[in-house]
Amino acid sequence: QKEVEQDPGPLSVPEGAIVSLNCTYSNSAFQYFMWYRQYSRKGPELLMYTYSSGNKEDGRFTAQVDKSSKYISLFIRDSQPSDSATYLCAMSDDDYKLSFGAGTTVTVRA
Amino acid sequence: EAGVTQSPTHLIKTRGQQATLRCSPISGHTSVYWYQQALGLGLQFLLWYDEGEERNRGNFPPRFSGRQFPNYSSELNVNALELEDSALYLCASSPSRQGARQPQHFGDGTRLSIL
Repeated sequence: QKEVEQDPGPLSVPEGAIVSLNCTYSNSAFQYFMWYRQYSRKGPELLMYTYSSGNKEDGRFTAQVDKSSKYISLFIRDSQPSDSATYLCAMSDDDYKLSFGAGTTVTVRA
Repeated sequence: EAGVTQSPTHLIKTRGQQATLRCSPISGHTSVYWYQQALGLGLQFLLWYDEGEERNRGNFPPRFSGRQFPNYSSELNVNALELEDSALYLCASSPSRQGARQPQHFGDGTRLSIL
């Protein structure tokens, strides 16, 4: 079993829809949670960074962490064609190395 | 503010050769991380350097090595290249490990192709 599980998709939604992305994990020591966006031929770009459980909102993006269920989510409201990318969840404990999900490829259709 | 910069963008080598990849962190960042993104395997942690010292190492053979220079830039060296080393190698940086945790910011990577 992988340490971090993420549905690879692909996910295709119409413009303006809500995109919902999820990851589950097995290591209960994880306490730092991130979402990155990666465009083709580019490096991952940090979208959201959260510590422990709870919700965090930044513009059209909302990140949720449920440590009791070992489950994290990212919601993108009012999706735009420019949101078409691969989204990666990442997490770490105190050792500073990031464990990544496989990435979900999202296409927002105009 | 300049982001993490990596060079070269693309590197083509043959089996058995050595490759050297370079990374300059964001100004003020002292920690540098290396990750491998191979097709079908996702992003995997390779190495972490902070203040010139290797702090952590992923599950990779010893032919993957590196170093961090006094200006906090870093090199990743891969010896005795194998076909399966073909991947995108990503460098990330973050502020010092002292104090509050900060997220890692990535460069655009070096694509290493082994022929």
